[in-house]
Amino acid sequence: AQKVTQAQTEISVVEKEDVTLDCVYETRDTTYYLFWYKQPPSGELVFLIRRNSFDEQNEISGRYSWNFQKSTSSFNFTITASQVVDSAVYFCALSEERTNAGKSTFGDGTTLTVKP
Amino acid sequence: KAGVTQTPRYLIKTRGQQVTLSCSPISGHRSVSWYQQTPGQGLQFLFEYFSETQRNKGNFPGRFSGRQFSNSRSEMNVSTLELGDSALYLCASRLAEYNEQFFGPGTRLTVL
Repeated sequence: AQKVTQAQTEISVVEKEDVTLDCVYETRDTTYYLFWYKQPPSGELVFLIRRNSFDEQNEISGRYSWNFQKSTSSFNFTITASQVVDSAVYFCALSEERTNAGKSTFGDGTTLTVKP
Repeated sequence: KAGVTQTPRYLIKTRGQQVTLSCSPISGHRSVSWYQQTPGQGLQFLFEYFSETQRNKGNFPGRFSGRQFSNSRSEMNVSTLELGDSALYLCASRLAEYNEQFFGPGTRLTVL
């Protein structure tokens, strides 16, 4: 069965600090897809990134970067020079090819608070 | 391009009633998934529809049902509401399999 663990329930940082959100997943499939979503106080989940299991390249997008390591089943998310607007709940999610990607399993989320 | 829309945004019902929530996906998206979000259980998958067919279903009782229309719009229905059904119900659409999902703003259901 697929499982996503976000061990950090809450993180609080001061603006301009770097912060890393951890995500560890479990799956029996060899082909799977990992996602990160952001849920600001307004409630709507916003897609941030998708990574396929066969593509271990790390990615950087502005202040955001993602580190995918199949060897440790981790897909961590780093925000560099955090800003108050980054305050939100961040979810990591997994979809398995075998059980159909229409179903995503989400972690419990990490609440990030960035203080000015 | 318009995003995923959900109606209504807020709903208050009493135990035993039934409710229907609506979701309009992004134009061109044929897959619609529904999730329930609660503080205690987090985000839980309800079901997914693709081209009017239910392709996947989560672990929810039969009181939770859904359907999809030919224009890809989807509805979910909850019958005989219970207090525990109070939650944020999120709809998401995707263009194709294994693509990212785009979420709507959700319907906040409160059962009294």
